[in-house]
Amino acid sequence: DQQVKQNSPSLSVQEGRISILNCDYTNSMFDYFLWYKKYPAEGPTFLISISSIKDKNEDGRFTVFLNKSAKHLSLHIVPSQPGDSAVYFCAASAVNRDDKIIFGKGTRLHILP
Amino acid sequence: ETGVTQSPTHLIKTRGQQVTLRCSSQSGHNTVSWYQQALGQGPQFIFQYYREEENGRGNFPPRFSGLQFPNYSSELNVNALELDDSALYLCASKRGGSGGTVYQGQFFGPGTRLTVL
Repeated sequence: DQQVKQNSPSLSVQEGRISILNCDYTNSMFDYFLWYKKYPAEGPTFLISISSIKDKNEDGRFTVFLNKSAKHLSLHIVPSQPGDSAVYFCAASAVNRDDKIIFGKGTRLHILP
Repeated sequence: ETGVTQSPTHLIKTRGQQVTLRCSSQSGHNTVSWYQQALGQGPQFIFQYYREEENGRGNFPPRFSGLQFPNYSSELNVNALELDDSALYLCASKRGGSGGTVYQGQFFGPGTRLTVL
């Protein structure tokens, strides 16, 4: 039972263009959604989060959009840079329940020169 | 500010053995969580420790156990190792207990890669 789904295992985007990574979830109890970035041989690094009461959160080149009715969120990176090439994990948490973070399987983003 | 550190970086064990993995939390963080990341999967929550007590557990059998020490460092112990336990084990820390600053995310260490033969 996968509560957080990232259906695209990989994505290739031209440098300078917009990267859009998608994520779907099934549990309505989630109240925070997070994106993590992971380079090989490193642990995941927190990128950006959004509360379930918001529909958008922006931090520099990174913007997360949340569509609660569709149980869908997306991460937009613009403009995409070579250093953005990594695996991106979508994650969710029910803070007022058990606080554990549920991760998707990840999407590998390749930024092409 | 020192980040999350884990030891060892790599480990090879045989089926049936026991293993202990170690984690030092980031300075100022009192909550530690452990995750298992199998190949091609996202990290899966094992358990969380706050003030030396387990305060959340994922769907892992009792042979996965842990400890948190007064300095907030932590250990993950796995008994009776199975081949499927081969994975990257990640430790993460944050301030606050359950319901704490999850919106800031947890800070992950580089992981320990365990191979069970």
